Amino acid sequence: DTGVSQNPRHKITKRGQNVTFRCDPISEHNRLYWYRQTLGQGPEFLTYFQNEAQLEKSRLLSDRFSAERPKGSFSTLEIQRTEQGDSAMYLCASSPSRLAGAYTGELFFGEGSRLTVL
Amino acid sequence: AQSVTQLGSHVSVSEGALVLLRCNYSSSVPPYLFWYVQYPNQGLQLLLKYTTGATLVKGINGFEAEFKKSETSFHLTKPSAHMSDAAEYFCAVSFNFGNEKLTFGTGTRLTIIP
Repeated sequence: DTGVSQNPRHKITKRGQNVTFRCDPISEHNRLYWYRQTLGQGPEFLTYFQNEAQLEKSRLLSDRFSAERPKGSFSTLEIQRTEQGDSAMYLCASSPSRLAGAYTGELFFGEGSRLTVL
Repeated sequence: AQSVTQLGSHVSVSEGALVLLRCNYSSSVPPYLFWYVQYPNQGLQLLLKYTTGATLVKGINGFEAEFKKSETSFHLTKPSAHMSDAAEYFCAVSFNFGNEKLTFGTGTRLTIIP
C-alpha cells in the first residue's frame, strides 16, 4: 500500500498524559498537512510542511502541540498534557508541490488517528 | 475570512433518485473549490475540483458540480443514487492554488434508502 499511513489508529489516554502520532506520507510528496476533525465538524487545518520546513501553523495549534518532519519524510504530531478538549480525529495528508509534474491540487489523506482523552 | 457552508447535515434519498448536496462559499477573490467524500473508517478522497475554466466539473462515481460565481455556490449532484454512495461529503475551499490549506464545510451525511 503506497497511500498515507497514520499510527496509531486509536489512542486512549488519561488527561495530562503526552501522546504522539506519526504520519508517513506518499513517498514522492514533499508537502505534508495535519488537520483535526471533531464530531460533527469538518477537518480544521493545523499545520503544514514543505520538506522539513514547517511553513504555517494555525492558531488552533497551542503551545502544547508540536509537529516535526525532521528529514522531510515522516512527520510526528505530539500533544503534551492532554486535555479532554483534545479528543478528536487527527488527519494527515500529503501532496506534491505545485512545481511537480504530478501536481493536481489534490490532498491525499490518511485514515486518521483517533484520540480519546479520559 | 473565507468560509464554506453546507446546507443540511443529513440528506436522505431513495436509490435511483437525484442526489443534491449544497455548498456555498464566502470569498472576495476567486476560490478553488473541492468536494471530498469520506466512507466509514476510510480517509477523505477527492471527488472533484474546480480551479479555472469550465464551470461544470465531472468527478468520480458519476458525480458532478457546477461553480456559479453569481450565487457563490458549488453544489454537488448525481442523477441516480446508488447504495454505495452512502458516505459523508465535505465541500472545501482554497484561495491559493498550490497551497492546499483547505477550509472545509461541516459535512453532509448522505443516506440512501433502498
